[in-house]
Amino acid sequence: KAGVTQTPRYLIKTRGQQVTLSCSPISGHRSVSWYQQTPGQGLQFLFEYFSETQRNKGNFPGRFSGRQFSNSRSEMNVSTLELGDSALYLCASSWLTSGTTGELFFGEGSRLTVL
Amino acid sequence: AQTVTQSQPEMSVQEAETVTLSCTYDTSESNYYLFWYKQPPSRQMILVIRQEAYKQQNATENRFSVNFQKAAKSFSLKISDSQLGDTAMYFCAFLITGANSKLTFGKGITLSVRP
Repeated sequence: KAGVTQTPRYLIKTRGQQVTLSCSPISGHRSVSWYQQTPGQGLQFLFEYFSETQRNKGNFPGRFSGRQFSNSRSEMNVSTLELGDSALYLCASSWLTSGTTGELFFGEGSRLTVL
Repeated sequence: AQTVTQSQPEMSVQEAETVTLSCTYDTSESNYYLFWYKQPPSRQMILVIRQEAYKQQNATENRFSVNFQKAAKSFSLKISDSQLGDTAMYFCAFLITGANSKLTFGKGITLSVRP
């Protein structure tokens, strides 16, 4: 069974641009969660989608948004990029919502650098 | 709000020796789950071990075991017979189950296993 796939793996953007990251969950998993990982802040929860509905949202500005499609694939978008958005963005999938079991299956992440 | 604290940012251990990673948490809830996740360099994060708070017996998975002290709100991970492949960042995580709940992660600890 294929794991969680995130694309692109690496990308470089400049301030003010926007970026879209994609996540394909493990087949059959209906929940997709997104995390931002930085050396200073660690892992910070962005949002979770389950069956195309946002179930939970972290404390991030409205520039960060996401969606989930009917095939459970998810995208997150960051608009008007700032230098502080440079981070590793992790996607994780689970069969049920992450709050039900706590067992998440992570992708390798998308490393975003904002210049 | 729940908090998870990993006070040691880095640790090092000799191959074949035993190492203990510390984690404390704060909550007023009585039913919850605790986890240790492992993130090897440039590879995806995986679940190492899970502990249900209502279980008195400490969880064990091969060379990995936990010391769960509910009253002290402490949840340490012991790695026996350390191997080079154990070199990774380790995150402690906490969950109060619920469809709209989310995992709360500590900031992580970088473990290096020396040959």
